[in-house]
Amino acid sequence: TQLLEQSPQFLSIQEGENLTVYCNSSSVFSSLQWYRQEPGEGPVLLVTVVTGGEVKKLKRLTFQFGDARKDSSLHITAAQPGDTGLYLCAGVTTSGTYKYIFGTGTRLKVLA
Amino acid sequence: SAVISQKPSRDICQRGTSLTIQCQVDSQVTMMFWYRQQPGQSLTLIATANQGSEATYESGFVIDKFPISRPNLTFSTLTVSNMSPEDSSIYLCSVEAGQGTYEQYFGPGTRLTVT
Repeated sequence: TQLLEQSPQFLSIQEGENLTVYCNSSSVFSSLQWYRQEPGEGPVLLVTVVTGGEVKKLKRLTFQFGDARKDSSLHITAAQPGDTGLYLCAGVTTSGTYKYIFGTGTRLKVLA
Repeated sequence: SAVISQKPSRDICQRGTSLTIQCQVDSQVTMMFWYRQQPGQSLTLIATANQGSEATYESGFVIDKFPISRPNLTFSTLTVSNMSPEDSSIYLCSVEAGQGTYEQYFGPGTRLTVT
């Protein structure tokens, strides 16, 4: 069974602080996505990384795909209350059936 | 990107009954997915629905309990049959923007409570 473990599970920080969320697996993925979900809504895609070692930046968010394509990280600089939400990583596996596997989730709360 | 709507947005149902959830996309897509999510937790894939073929179900989910229709490239339904309180959850449909793009777009979800 392919699993994507995220850490931490919960995170409560003050506005302006930095944070990193990790997404780890023992499996290799063709690509990995990060989503953010707010209550009452579906997840919204933030970024897709495909190449091992790839780094992408989206304003204050920095995403990295591990060299072996088994792990990823999301770093937020100077967090704001608008960053509050459930962060989910998802890996795409193309060995056998093509499908997405979602991580266990990280619930972030940024306090003003 | 794709805009996805789901109906109903929420429902409260009696045990033993069935509920059909509709998912409508504003563009033609090949792959559609149905997920289940407990509030605040991660997503569990129920099945993948491609137009013109039978849905592919994940381990732990069966067609008799969760029949899926995919009559065309913009629409799908998921039925939760013979419901029990354990079926209370959020049900989400999603589409892939284009095959091989690795970009999923989600509907707002259907919050189901079974009493």
